[in-house]
Amino acid sequence: EAGVAQSPRYKIIEKRQSVAFWCNPISGHATLYWYQQILGQGPKLLIQFQNNGVVDDSQLPKDRFSAERLKGVDSTLKIQPAKLEDSAVYLCASSSRTGLAGTDTQYFGPGTRLTVL
Amino acid sequence: AQTVTQSQPEMSVQEAETVTLSCTYDTSESDYYLFWYKQPPSRQMILVIRQEAYKQQNATENRFSVNFQKAAKSFSLKISDSQLGDAAMYFCAYMPWYGGSQGNLIFGKGTKLSVKP
Repeated sequence: EAGVAQSPRYKIIEKRQSVAFWCNPISGHATLYWYQQILGQGPKLLIQFQNNGVVDDSQLPKDRFSAERLKGVDSTLKIQPAKLEDSAVYLCASSSRTGLAGTDTQYFGPGTRLTVL
Repeated sequence: AQTVTQSQPEMSVQEAETVTLSCTYDTSESDYYLFWYKQPPSRQMILVIRQEAYKQQNATENRFSVNFQKAAKSFSLKISDSQLGDAAMYFCAYMPWYGGSQGNLIFGKGTKLSVKP
């Protein structure tokens, strides 16, 4: 079974530029998450999708960050314009969670390391 | 607020010996899940072990086991017979359970484990 795929693995941009990250979850996984992991910290949830609907985006800085999950499969996370403090690893995860009772293991992708100069 | 605290920024263990990583959490919920994730330099977060709060028996997975103390809100990870491949960042994480629906995954800041040959 293929894991969660993310691209690119690395990205370097200058502040005020825009950037986009792509994630392909494990086949059949209904729920998709985007996390931001700043150096020296644990991941922090930015947004959660169930199929193609947003479940939680309370911690997403909506003035500059946006995300979509068209057709309930792949997802893109965009930052426009980028700030220095956006330098971090952006992790995508997926789970088979359907909103019903049951276990929920999140499987993570390799992440994208963003450096904003 | 729900928080996860890992008080050991770094730990070191000799190959083949045993090490214990500490984690405490703060919550007013009675139902929740606890996890330990491993993040090697490749950045891929890998689930090591999970514990359901309603289970009194401590979870084990091969060389990995936990000491779950619900009253003390403590969830430590024991790694036995440490191997060089165990060297990584280890994150403790908490997920609340709200009467049939799951909350978000909250991570600690991590403990960097080094394994000496």
